[in-house]
Parts: sequence; structure tokens; C-alpha cells
Amino acid sequence: DQQVKQNSPSLSVQEGRISILNCDYTNSMFDYFLWYKKYPAEGPTFLISISSIKDKNEDGRFTVFLNKSAKHLSLHIVPSQPGDSAVYFCAATLRSNDYKLSFGAGTTVTVRA
Amino acid sequence: GAGVSQSPSNKVTEKGKDVELRCDPISGHTALYWYRQSLGQGLEFLIYFQGNSAPDKSGLPSDRFSAERTGGSVSTLTIQRTQQEDSAVYLCASSLAIGQGVQQYFGPGTRLTVT
Repeated sequence: DQQVKQNSPSLSVQEGRISILNCDYTNSMFDYFLWYKKYPAEGPTFLISISSIKDKNEDGRFTVFLNKSAKHLSLHIVPSQPGDSAVYFCAATLRSNDYKLSFGAGTTVTVRA
Repeated sequence: GAGVSQSPSNKVTEKGKDVELRCDPISGHTALYWYRQSLGQGLEFLIYFQGNSAPDKSGLPSDRFSAERTGGSVSTLTIQRTQQEDSAVYLCASSLAIGQGVQQYFGPGTRLTVT
């Protein structure tokens, strides 16, 4: 029972343009949503998070938008840079579930020069 | 500053053998999680430790899997009688106590290959 879904396995974007990654979830009780970035042979690193009581959180080039009615969130990266090429995982968590993370399958982003 | 470390980084084992995977969390982090990532899949929760409380084993796929955390720090994940479907990257993460942050810090993982 996959509660977090990333339906686009890959995304290719030109350097300098915007990257938009999408994520859908089924459990309306999730408290927090997080995005992680993963390079090959490394563990995931935290990028940005958003509480379920907010609809937007911004940190530098990264902005996460949450649409609770649609159970949808997105990550915007602007401008995209070659170092952004990685796998991006969407995750969701519940305080009542000890903050165990439920992950999507990931989206591989390739930034073209 | 030391992050989460895991050993070994790679492990190749024959079907039926037992393996032990080790995780050293960030000092001061009381919460420790094990996940695994099978090929083409997202990360799947396995087990969770919080301080001295009994671990949450709800994600363990079978009774061949077990884990312990000694002294509230280092954790060992043991897989007995390994099967080919156990091949995956096993990731450990640690975090501050609940109520002090939701962010989990991941180690580099152990890539397990069962032949």
C-alpha cells in the first residue's frame, strides 16, 4: 500500500530553467512532507520540508508547494544547475507514527548544460 | 562533524548465509531508523528505535530480520538465511527525539547482494 507516489520516474531540464517535481499522497493525516536528494552511492540528504498547516515553503532556489485538498505537493527548483542532477524523493510522515518516513519511488532529474 | 556511518559499504553473500549490517548514528540522536531500497523502488521502513523504548518492528518483512541497538547508540541489523530478494541498499537514519525535529539524517547505506 504505497501512500506516497511520484509518477514521473525521470525529468530532463535545461540549465537555468525551472524543474518541477510532483508528488501525490493518499493519507490526509500526514503532518509533514519532506524532499530528499540522493546522489549515487550516497545516502539521501534533506532538502526542504513543509508542515501540513502551510501551503508554501521557500529556501533559496527550492520551493515546496502543498495542496492539501488535492493531496499533492510539488518541488520547484529555479534556476536548475548541473549539480542538481540527482534522484529526488518525496516523503511524508506522521508524528503519531513516530515520524517514520513514507517515501515515493523517486524522480531522476538530469540538468542539461 | 561526524554524520551517520554504516559498514560495510558493500556486502556480497551467498544465499542462506547470515549477514550483519552496522550503523553508527549521529552523537546525541536518540531516534534511529532502518530503511531499505530495492532496485527501482523508494525507501521502505524496516525498524525504529527511540531511546530505551521497545523498538517498532512493524516494517520488518520476515522473522529472518532482526535488529538491536546497544547502549542507545550503535545499531546492528541482522538478516538470517539470506534470500535473493533481500538484495537491496540498507539505509540507516538518525534524528533528534520526537518533538525536536522531523528531519532524519541518512548514512551512505550498505549495498547487499545475495547470490
